[in-house]
Amino acid sequence: SQKIEQNSEALNIQEGKTATLTCNYTNYSPAYLQWYRQDPGRGPVFLLLIRENEKEKRKERLKVTFDTTLKQSLFHITASQPADSATYLCALWMDSSYKLIFGSGTRLLVRP
Amino acid sequence: GAGVSQSPSNKVTEKGKDVELRCDPISGHTALYWYRQRLGQGLEFLIYFQGNSAPDKSGLPSDRFSAERTGESVSTLTIQRTQQEDSAVYLCASSSNTISGEKLFFGSGTQLSVL
Repeated sequence: SQKIEQNSEALNIQEGKTATLTCNYTNYSPAYLQWYRQDPGRGPVFLLLIRENEKEKRKERLKVTFDTTLKQSLFHITASQPADSATYLCALWMDSSYKLIFGSGTRLLVRP
Repeated sequence: GAGVSQSPSNKVTEKGKDVELRCDPISGHTALYWYRQRLGQGLEFLIYFQGNSAPDKSGLPSDRFSAERTGESVSTLTIQRTQQEDSAVYLCASSSNTISGEKLFFGSGTQLSVL
């Protein structure tokens, strides 16, 4: 069956450290992978998009990698801040069906 | 408007009643999506529209769920004979198109509680 897996346990780190979140998928061939941030009571907000032929994408303190062989994406936040505390969702875009399919998200807590 | 607007923000209803949830997408966005998010879980795809057409309704959980879009703008998600398991946040999102996997812009959702 098709699955997108994100660590369901919260990631708890100290301010200033690098946070690394993982997204694994099975039985999908996504054309794109996107990462979103969701705060309590709000809808998700787009952060980064990476294409299947790209290995890495950066935006300010954020970095995303995409390994289509391992079927995995890593999302890094460097020099993390308490304001980065939120739930982070990965999503796969399927060209075959024009759908964006979401993982269940990982909650990040950054301690001051 | 500046962003995706959903109404109502909260809806409490009794089991068996019908509810309508409304979504106003960003002006000019041709693609519109509905998702459902149960407490502590990820987003479950329900349906998407390209213009006023819904090419993929496969995510609708049952025939009690229906959606329409008019004028390539406002969309309404209707749930008939609501059940307690329908309780969730219903999120709407829009994007400039569906073809190239553009990023989605989400509303804040409608929190539906079925008593």
